[in-house]
Amino acid sequence: AQSVTQLGSHVSVSEGALVLLRCNYSSSVPPYLFWYVQYPNQGLQLLLKYTTGATLVKGINGFEAEFKKSETSFHLTKPSAHMSDAAEYFCAVFPSGSARQLTFGSGTQLTVLP
Amino acid sequence: DAGVTQSPTHLIKTRGQQVTLRCSPKSGHDTVSWYQQALGQGPQFIFQYYEEEERQRGNFPDRFSGHQFPNYSSELNVNALLLGDSALYLCASSYISVGQGYNEQFFGPGTRLTVL
Repeated sequence: AQSVTQLGSHVSVSEGALVLLRCNYSSSVPPYLFWYVQYPNQGLQLLLKYTTGATLVKGINGFEAEFKKSETSFHLTKPSAHMSDAAEYFCAVFPSGSARQLTFGSGTQLTVLP
Repeated sequence: DAGVTQSPTHLIKTRGQQVTLRCSPKSGHDTVSWYQQALGQGPQFIFQYYEEEERQRGNFPDRFSGHQFPNYSSELNVNALLLGDSALYLCASSYISVGQGYNEQFFGPGTRLTVL
C-alpha cells in the first residue's frame, strides 16, 4: 500500500526566508505526486504535480518541488516566504496502476512570521 | 465555470441520526470521489463513483454510502452517526480518460459536519 510521510506537522519561517516542507513516499513503483494547499475553512487547491518527465516541477505562487526517486522524496520549496503563504500543505500520491484514489500525508501547518 | 460545489457548507447532527451531503462536479467531469478530513489530519478516501456505480472504496464502514446521478452529481450518506464522524467532507471531481495514468482531481470547499 502507498503511504506518505510529511516530516514536521508545524513549520515556522520568517517572511522572506526559504520555505522547505518535507514529503517522503513509500512505493515500489514511482507514483504520481502532488502538493495541495488548504487555507482556513476552504477546500484543497493544487499547487503542483509530478507525473512524468522533468523531476523539478514548478507550481503556482512561486512554489516548486523536486522528485528524487533514490530518496523517495518530493519536498516542496519556495525561495522567499510571504505572509499569504501561511496555510496547511498536504503531500499526496496517486499510485500507478488501476487505483484511482489520492493518499494524503497528515499535513504541515506553515506559519510565516513578520 | 462554477467548479466543484458542495452543499450544505455546515451541518450539525446528533448521534444516531442520518445525514446526506451533496456534490456537483466541475463541468465536463464524470467522476466523483469523497474524502473525510478529520481535524488536524489529511483527507482520507471514502469512495469513488463513476457511471453511477461505486468503483473504489476506502476503509470505511457500510454506514457510509453514496449515489451518483445521471448528471454526474453525487450524494454521500452516513447512517447512525457517531461522534467520530465529525469532520470536513470533501468532494473531488475528475474526468476518466482511458489510457491516462492519472486523472487530476478538483476539490470542492467541503461540508463541515459536527456530530453532537
